[in-house]
Amino acid sequence: EVQLVESGGGLVKPGGSLRLSCAASGFTFSNAWMSWVRQAPGKGLEWVGRIKSKTDGGTTDYAAPVKGRFTISRDDSKNTLYLQMNSLKTEDTAVYYCTTGDGDYGAFDIWGQGTMVTVSS
Amino acid sequence: SYVLTQPPSVSVAPGKTARITCGGNNIGSKSVHWYQQKPGQAPVLVIYYDSDRPSGIPERFSGSNSGNTATLTISRVEAGDEADYYCQVWDSSSDHPGVVFGGGTKLTVL
Repeated sequence: EVQLVESGGGLVKPGGSLRLSCAASGFTFSNAWMSWVRQAPGKGLEWVGRIKSKTDGGTTDYAAPVKGRFTISRDDSKNTLYLQMNSLKTEDTAVYYCTTGDGDYGAFDIWGQGTMVTVSS
Repeated sequence: SYVLTQPPSVSVAPGKTARITCGGNNIGSKSVHWYQQKPGQAPVLVIYYDSDRPSGIPERFSGSNSGNTATLTISRVEAGDEADYYCQVWDSSSDHPGVVFGGGTKLTVL
């Protein structure tokens, strides 16, 4: 069964850090381009960033609101995607989903169930 | 940056046709994907590359894209179609290329 399972969410104070994980199964993770998408409470979907497969360079791209604060990485030996979030702000409060799509123009056809991150003092 | 504009809400009676639009500058030159999201659940892909349907998605769901508007059409609407719908493109034209989502449309089945 194709599956993505996020973990690591929780409550953190402004300025703090948190690392999310996304465990993949049922497909060839090492070939996949992986993204993080978030959704603030009651709001729409917002792309956070993505990492290409190592065969395609393994490079990362980020949305402007998180660039310089968030880092996406992957461990293909563990079939796991990570999102390191530093200098967190209250506006980063959201459900964070990991997802996978096919290249720049492809759709996101597999989604995890999401993990909630709350940034509050 | 590239902006996708969706109506906040669309209402339709059961059995009728719902059309949800997604506006963007020359969106017809981009590939548009559509997602359905029900409360408390992750998004589900319902249309990809403008008009293709993933396996398991009913034929009632269709898509089109031309000019400055992409459209998701749901025929013979059922109560279970009530959800939020989002369009999405890849924007390579700005200083920050990346994925762009529309603001979402809440479909209400009357």
